Amino acid sequence: DPKIIQKPKYLVAVTGSEKILICEQYLGHNAMYWYRQSAKKPLEFMFSYSYQKLMDNQTASSRFQPQSSKKNHLDLQITALKPDDSATYFCASSQDGWGAGQYFGPGTRLTVL
Amino acid sequence: GEQVEQLPSILRVQEGSSASINCTYENSASNYFPWYKQEPGENPKLIIDIRSNMERKQTQGLIVLLDKKAKRFSLHITDTQPGDSAMYFCAASGDNNAGAKLTFGGGTRLTVRP
Repeated sequence: DPKIIQKPKYLVAVTGSEKILICEQYLGHNAMYWYRQSAKKPLEFMFSYSYQKLMDNQTASSRFQPQSSKKNHLDLQITALKPDDSATYFCASSQDGWGAGQYFGPGTRLTVL
Repeated sequence: GEQVEQLPSILRVQEGSSASINCTYENSASNYFPWYKQEPGENPKLIIDIRSNMERKQTQGLIVLLDKKAKRFSLHITDTQPGDSAMYFCAASGDNNAGAKLTFGGGTRLTVRP
């Protein structure tokens, strides 16, 4: 059984629309992360949460908003989508928040037309 | 912030030989260095990691070396097999805060020829 679930696996959106990427982990981890991977930037950190609190934010744009409704959930809301947002978005989690032992989910591949 | 450089970007080796990938980092406070393997269409998978209190770690045909003075770490795959063909990413993390991010290198595409 997959321990980190990301939904949907594939997502196509039109420019200017809004989408929510879902992530749930069943590893019992306390920290969760979002990373983005595209042809331009292989693996890029976006956000980290520990015990549902935002710890670090490396995204320059407020169009990207993480949402944590439960300790094992960290969704990513993206508004006013642009073609440049096209990428695979990976959710990850670790036991503690020290960055160690981060395990990645299967990813959501987003295409913005 | 941290910057991680990874070389080579492309590596082709013959089955049974060794493959080596090198990474350098800038932040001397970095203290955790994982390696990930990513196959096409898949997620990155953690294959081995090393903390700054170690110089060498070995597991299942993988060896990681860390030289803190030179701010350099490397992955060595011994007796490579075609199944080792994939993208490999090194990363560094050093903030002693909860939710510490990983800063990744640019990746190495390894091809093992039969």
